[in-house]
Amino acid sequence: ILNVEQSPQSLHVQEGDSTNFTCSFPSSNFYALHWYRWETAKSPEALFVMTLNGDEKKKGRISATLNTKEGYSYLYIKGSQPEDSATYLCAFTVTRSGNTGKLIFGQGTTLQVKP
Amino acid sequence: ETGVTQTPRHLVMGMTNKKSLKCEQHLGHNAMYWYKQSAKKPLELMFVYSLEERVENNSVPSRFSPECPNSSHLFLHLHTLQPEDSALYLCASTPDSRDNSPLHFGNGTRLTVT
Repeated sequence: ILNVEQSPQSLHVQEGDSTNFTCSFPSSNFYALHWYRWETAKSPEALFVMTLNGDEKKKGRISATLNTKEGYSYLYIKGSQPEDSATYLCAFTVTRSGNTGKLIFGQGTTLQVKP
Repeated sequence: ETGVTQTPRHLVMGMTNKKSLKCEQHLGHNAMYWYKQSAKKPLELMFVYSLEERVENNSVPSRFSPECPNSSHLFLHLHTLQPEDSALYLCASTPDSRDNSPLHFGNGTRLTVT
Protein backbone atom coordinates (compact mmCIF):
# COMPACT_ATOMS: atom_id res chain seq x y z
CA ILE A 1 0.00 0.00 0.00
CA LEU A 2 1.43 3.37 -1.04
CA ASN A 3 1.52 5.82 1.83
CA VAL A 4 2.41 9.47 2.31
CA GLU A 5 3.52 10.59 5.75
CA GLN A 6 3.56 14.21 6.79
CA SER A 7 5.16 15.51 9.95
CA PRO A 8 4.50 17.10 12.26
CA GLN A 9 0.71 16.73 12.31
CA SER A 10 0.36 20.22 13.76
CA LEU A 11 2.60 23.13 14.54
CA HIS A 12 2.21 26.39 16.46
CA VAL A 13 4.70 29.18 15.80
CA GLN A 14 4.98 32.87 16.56
CA GLU A 15 4.65 35.49 13.87
CA GLY A 16 8.04 36.05 12.29
CA ASP A 17 9.35 32.54 13.01
CA SER A 18 10.56 30.45 10.11
CA THR A 19 9.32 26.89 9.98
CA ASN A 20 9.48 23.75 7.92
CA PHE A 21 7.71 20.44 7.64
CA THR A 22 8.25 17.13 5.93
CA CYS A 23 6.50 14.91 3.44
CA SER A 24 7.78 11.32 3.09
CA PHE A 25 6.80 9.00 0.27
CA PRO A 26 7.97 5.72 -1.30
CA SER A 27 10.95 6.52 -3.51
CA SER A 28 10.52 3.76 -6.07
CA ASN A 29 8.70 4.63 -9.32
CA PHE A 30 8.28 8.25 -8.23
CA TYR A 31 6.71 10.54 -10.80
CA ALA A 32 5.57 13.81 -9.20
CA LEU A 33 4.93 15.53 -5.89
CA HIS A 34 2.30 18.21 -5.25
CA TRP A 35 1.98 20.64 -2.34
CA TYR A 36 -1.34 22.32 -1.50
CA ARG A 37 -2.37 24.91 1.07
CA TRP A 38 -5.84 24.53 2.61
CA GLU A 39 -7.19 27.42 4.63
CA THR A 40 -10.23 26.90 6.83
CA ALA A 41 -13.54 27.30 4.97
CA LYS A 42 -11.74 27.60 1.63
CA SER A 43 -10.70 25.16 -1.07
CA PRO A 44 -7.24 23.57 -1.24
CA GLU A 45 -4.93 25.67 -3.40
CA ALA A 46 -1.95 24.33 -5.32
CA LEU A 47 1.45 25.63 -4.26
CA PHE A 48 3.94 23.52 -6.20
CA VAL A 49 4.24 20.55 -8.53
CA MET A 50 7.72 19.01 -8.43
CA THR A 51 9.11 16.22 -10.56
CA LEU A 52 12.92 16.34 -10.58
CA ASN A 53 15.26 15.13 -7.87
CA GLY A 54 16.93 18.16 -6.33
CA ASP A 55 14.16 20.45 -7.51
CA GLU A 56 13.60 23.59 -5.48
CA LYS A 57 10.58 25.82 -5.99
CA LYS A 58 9.69 29.14 -4.42
CA LYS A 59 6.55 31.24 -4.13
CA GLY A 60 7.02 34.36 -2.04
CA ARG A 61 8.10 33.30 1.45
CA ILE A 62 7.28 29.63 0.81
CA SER A 63 9.72 27.22 -0.79
CA ALA A 64 9.96 23.48 -1.26
CA THR A 65 12.70 20.99 -1.98
CA LEU A 66 12.50 17.47 -3.34
CA ASN A 67 14.66 14.37 -2.81
CA THR A 68 13.26 11.53 -4.88
CA LYS A 69 16.11 9.11 -4.09
CA GLU A 70 15.37 9.10 -0.37
CA GLY A 71 11.67 9.89 -0.70
CA TYR A 72 11.07 13.20 1.01
CA SER A 73 10.13 16.80 0.37
CA TYR A 74 10.46 19.77 2.71
CA LEU A 75 8.22 22.82 2.74
CA TYR A 76 9.75 25.96 4.27
CA ILE A 77 7.98 29.14 5.33
CA LYS A 78 10.23 32.10 6.05
CA GLY A 79 9.00 34.73 8.52
CA SER A 80 5.58 33.14 9.16
CA GLN A 81 2.57 35.44 9.13
CA PRO A 82 -0.91 34.80 10.61
CA GLU A 83 -2.26 34.46 7.06
CA ASP A 84 0.01 31.43 6.59
CA SER A 85 -2.17 29.54 9.09
CA ALA A 86 -3.56 26.60 7.12
CA THR A 87 -3.22 22.89 6.56
CA TYR A 88 -0.45 22.02 4.13
CA LEU A 89 -1.05 18.85 2.10
CA CYS A 90 1.39 16.91 0.02
CA ALA A 91 0.48 14.27 -2.54
CA PHE A 92 2.47 12.09 -4.91
CA THR A 93 2.03 9.87 -7.95
CA VAL A 94 4.05 6.89 -9.11
CA THR A 95 2.80 6.03 -12.56
CA ARG A 96 3.17 7.82 -15.86
CA SER A 97 -0.42 7.38 -16.96
CA GLY A 98 -3.40 8.97 -15.25
CA ASN A 99 -1.08 10.88 -12.95
CA THR A 100 -3.14 13.63 -11.47
CA GLY A 101 -6.02 11.23 -11.10
CA LYS A 102 -3.84 8.91 -9.03
CA LEU A 103 -2.55 11.41 -6.48
CA ILE A 104 -2.08 9.90 -3.04
CA PHE A 105 -2.46 12.48 -0.29
CA GLY A 106 -0.92 12.75 3.16
CA GLN A 107 -2.94 13.79 6.20
CA GLY A 108 -1.45 17.25 6.19
CA THR A 109 0.42 19.50 8.59
CA THR A 110 -1.75 22.12 10.28
CA LEU A 111 0.12 25.34 10.95
CA GLN A 112 -1.07 28.01 13.40
CA VAL A 113 0.81 31.29 13.39
CA LYS A 114 0.20 33.41 16.48
CA PRO A 115 0.41 37.20 16.13
CA GLU B 1 -13.39 32.45 -6.68
CA THR B 2 -11.68 29.17 -7.51
CA GLY B 3 -13.37 28.50 -10.85
CA VAL B 4 -14.86 25.31 -9.42
CA THR B 5 -18.24 25.71 -7.74
CA GLN B 6 -19.91 23.08 -5.59
CA THR B 7 -23.47 23.03 -4.33
CA PRO B 8 -24.83 22.68 -1.78
CA ARG B 9 -22.19 23.72 0.75
CA HIS B 10 -23.89 21.72 3.50
CA LEU B 11 -26.26 18.78 3.29
CA VAL B 12 -27.99 16.76 5.98
CA MET B 13 -29.77 13.64 4.82
CA GLY B 14 -31.37 10.57 6.30
CA MET B 15 -30.22 7.08 5.38
CA THR B 16 -33.24 6.50 3.14
CA ASN B 17 -32.99 9.79 1.24
CA LYS B 18 -31.72 10.36 -2.28
CA LYS B 19 -29.76 13.52 -2.91
CA SER B 20 -27.21 14.81 -5.40
CA LEU B 21 -24.08 16.91 -5.13
CA LYS B 22 -23.26 19.23 -7.99
CA CYS B 23 -19.94 20.52 -9.28
CA GLU B 24 -19.40 23.03 -12.06
CA GLN B 25 -16.17 24.37 -13.56
CA HIS B 26 -15.65 27.14 -16.07
CA LEU B 27 -11.93 26.68 -16.52
CA GLY B 28 -12.17 24.79 -19.80
CA HIS B 29 -10.79 21.66 -18.12
CA ASN B 30 -11.41 18.19 -19.49
CA ALA B 31 -10.95 16.14 -16.33
CA MET B 32 -13.04 16.24 -13.17
CA TYR B 33 -12.66 14.41 -9.88
CA TRP B 34 -14.56 13.54 -6.71
CA TYR B 35 -12.56 13.32 -3.48
CA LYS B 36 -13.75 12.43 0.00
CA GLN B 37 -12.28 13.60 3.25
CA SER B 38 -13.44 11.81 6.37
CA ALA B 39 -12.46 13.07 9.80
CA LYS B 40 -8.77 12.50 10.61
CA LYS B 41 -8.11 10.83 7.23
CA PRO B 42 -6.28 11.97 4.09
CA LEU B 43 -8.13 13.08 0.98
CA GLU B 44 -9.29 9.96 -0.79
CA LEU B 45 -9.94 9.77 -4.53
CA MET B 46 -13.39 8.43 -5.47
CA PHE B 47 -13.89 8.97 -9.19
CA VAL B 48 -12.11 10.49 -12.19
CA TYR B 49 -13.80 11.59 -15.39
CA SER B 50 -11.90 12.54 -18.52
CA LEU B 51 -13.88 14.01 -21.43
CA GLU B 52 -17.08 12.80 -19.76
CA GLU B 53 -15.82 9.23 -19.59
CA ARG B 54 -15.17 7.60 -16.22
CA VAL B 55 -11.51 6.60 -16.12
CA GLU B 56 -11.16 5.75 -12.45
CA ASN B 57 -13.48 4.24 -9.88
CA ASN B 58 -11.60 3.77 -6.68
CA SER B 59 -13.60 0.86 -5.23
CA VAL B 60 -16.40 3.15 -4.18
CA PRO B 61 -19.67 1.54 -2.95
CA SER B 62 -22.55 1.63 -5.41
CA ARG B 63 -24.59 3.90 -3.11
CA PHE B 64 -22.40 6.65 -4.64
CA SER B 65 -23.20 7.13 -8.31
CA PRO B 66 -21.30 9.74 -10.36
CA GLU B 67 -22.55 11.41 -13.52
CA CYS B 68 -20.68 13.65 -15.93
CA PRO B 69 -23.07 14.98 -18.61
CA ASN B 70 -20.44 17.29 -20.08
CA SER B 71 -16.91 18.39 -19.29
CA SER B 72 -18.12 21.35 -17.21
CA HIS B 73 -20.47 19.50 -14.88
CA LEU B 74 -20.10 16.62 -12.47
CA PHE B 75 -22.68 15.15 -10.14
CA LEU B 76 -22.52 12.68 -7.29
CA HIS B 77 -25.85 10.95 -6.71
CA LEU B 78 -26.32 9.61 -3.21
CA HIS B 79 -28.80 6.98 -2.04
CA THR B 80 -29.21 4.82 1.05
CA LEU B 81 -26.07 6.24 2.62
CA GLN B 82 -24.68 5.20 5.99
CA PRO B 83 -23.68 7.49 8.89
CA GLU B 84 -20.02 6.65 8.17
CA ASP B 85 -20.43 8.35 4.78
CA SER B 86 -20.59 11.68 6.59
CA ALA B 87 -17.60 13.60 5.27
CA LEU B 88 -16.45 16.55 3.19
CA TYR B 89 -16.83 15.84 -0.53
CA LEU B 90 -14.54 17.83 -2.76
CA CYS B 91 -14.74 18.25 -6.50
CA ALA B 92 -11.66 19.17 -8.53
CA SER B 93 -10.68 19.64 -12.15
CA THR B 94 -7.55 19.67 -14.32
CA PRO B 95 -6.94 20.33 -18.00
CA ASP B 96 -6.20 16.63 -18.55
CA SER B 97 -6.16 13.63 -16.21
CA ARG B 98 -2.96 12.25 -17.75
CA ASP B 99 -0.58 15.15 -17.19
CA ASN B 100 0.84 16.63 -14.02
CA SER B 101 -1.41 19.62 -13.67
CA PRO B 102 -2.31 20.65 -10.14
CA LEU B 103 -5.88 20.08 -9.02
CA HIS B 104 -8.27 23.03 -8.92
CA PHE B 105 -10.64 22.33 -6.04
CA GLY B 106 -14.10 23.54 -5.16
CA ASN B 107 -15.04 24.52 -1.61
CA GLY B 108 -16.63 21.17 -0.93
CA THR B 109 -19.98 19.89 0.34
CA ARG B 110 -20.13 18.99 4.02
CA LEU B 111 -22.41 15.94 4.17
CA THR B 112 -24.00 14.64 7.35
CA VAL B 113 -25.93 11.37 7.21
CA THR B 114 -28.32 10.88 10.11
